[in-house]
Amino acid sequence: EAGVAQSPRYKIIEKRQSVAFWCNPISGHATLYWYQQILGQGPKLLIQFQNNGVVDDSQLPKDRFSAERLKGVDSTLKIQPAKLEDSAVYLCASRVTGGANEKLFFGSGTQLSVL
Amino acid sequence: GNSVTQMEGPVTLSEEAFLTINCTYTATGYPSLFWYVQYPGEGLQLLLKATKADDKGSNKGFEATYRKETTSFHLEKGSVQVSDSAVYFCALRNAGNMLTFGGGTRLMVKP
Repeated sequence: EAGVAQSPRYKIIEKRQSVAFWCNPISGHATLYWYQQILGQGPKLLIQFQNNGVVDDSQLPKDRFSAERLKGVDSTLKIQPAKLEDSAVYLCASRVTGGANEKLFFGSGTQLSVL
Repeated sequence: GNSVTQMEGPVTLSEEAFLTINCTYTATGYPSLFWYVQYPGEGLQLLLKATKADDKGSNKGFEATYRKETTSFHLEKGSVQVSDSAVYFCALRNAGNMLTFGGGTRLMVKP
């Protein structure tokens, strides 16, 4: 079975520029998450989608971060404008539903460096 | 709020040594507990889980027991291999179904 696909794998930008990340979850997975993993730390949840609706975005810095999942499948995460502290790996994860006993599958992540 | 604390790494062991990576948590209610592993260049993978007190999760020779009295979920393996070199994350999931991760512990196993 194909896993969670993310692109690009790496991205280097200068501060104040914009950047977008793309995630294609496993087919049939209704629930999708974006996590931010700063070097040396554990992943921190940014936003959770159930189909094309937002379930939780309480930790998303909405002044600069936005995410969408228009058709309930692929998702994009955007940062505009980027700051130095946004340098991190951005992980996408998905599961069939939001059920407590269902396994969460992670993509390999997009490593962002803001210079 | 919920939080997970795990021992800082890196942990460096020789092959066949015994491994313990400590994990303690703070949470309201009765969370489920997890260990995830991240091999070099790969995404996070679920290693094992336990959903209630005294449950033992196990997989690939790794074990962890949900200890409510000490709020701990320490990861153990009796004999590590070079292929176990990775970063290990302890995590909890609360009733709201949100995962909270620890900071990760890098394990390096030398032949």
